[in-house]
Amino acid sequence: DAGVIQSPRHEVTEMGQEVTLRCKPISGHDYLFWYRQTMMRGLELLIYFNNNVPIDDSGMPEDRFSAKMPNASFSTLKIQPSEPRDSAVYFCASRGLAGVKDTQYFGPGTRLTVL
Amino acid sequence: RKEVEQDPGPFNVPEGATVAFNCTYSNSASQSFFWYRQDCRKEPKLLMSVYSSGNEDGRFTAQLNRASQYISLLIRDSKLSDSATYLCVVNANTGFQKLVFGTGTRLLVSP
Repeated sequence: DAGVIQSPRHEVTEMGQEVTLRCKPISGHDYLFWYRQTMMRGLELLIYFNNNVPIDDSGMPEDRFSAKMPNASFSTLKIQPSEPRDSAVYFCASRGLAGVKDTQYFGPGTRLTVL
Repeated sequence: RKEVEQDPGPFNVPEGATVAFNCTYSNSASQSFFWYRQDCRKEPKLLMSVYSSGNEDGRFTAQLNRASQYISLLIRDSKLSDSATYLCVVNANTGFQKLVFGTGTRLLVSP
C-alpha cells in the first residue's frame, strides 16, 4: 500500500514568493495533519483536518499560512508571501481507525528553503 | 514548561550496550503515549506504543509512570542500526486528536 505522498520533496524559493505544498493521505484515513519541523522548535502541529474539515488551526503561525482539503485524497498548505524564517521541513501525516490507536503515518516531508 | 521534555543527547554507546531514555510530560490528562523513531533527514515512524503496564517489543521496552508523569524507553543489545533520534510523543485527552512531540533524544551506536 502506498504511504502518505508529499510533493515537492524539496523547494527553494525567494522571499515574497508563494509556496504550495501538497499531500495525499493514505486511502481510507480520515485525519490529516500538517507539521513543521525545525532544529530550534522540533515538530510542531500546524493544522489538522477530520473528514476534510479543518478542526484545529491554532498552530498556524500567521495569516500568511493557509491550508485546504478539498477532498479525502488531497490537501495543500500554502505560504504567501514566504519569508526566510519559514524555512523548515513540512510533514503531512494521516491517521485512520485501523491499526494502532492514534498512530499517525508521516509522509517523507517537503524541505523548504526561502532565500 | 514544555508539554513534553527530553534530554537531547547525544547518547554515544558501543554496540551491545543497554541504553535508556526518559521523557516527562506536563499534562496529567494525557491518555496515549508513544515512542517514534526518526532517522536523519527522514520522517518520524512509530516505534512502539507505551501501555500503563509496560510493554516489550524485542530489544525495546517501554514503561509509563503516570504518578511521576514520565515515560521511558530501554534498548538492549544496541545495534548500529539503532542510531537515530527517538521522539517521545503524548496525546492530550482534550477531545482533539493532537500528538505532542518532544524534540527528541539522539542515539549514536558505534562499533
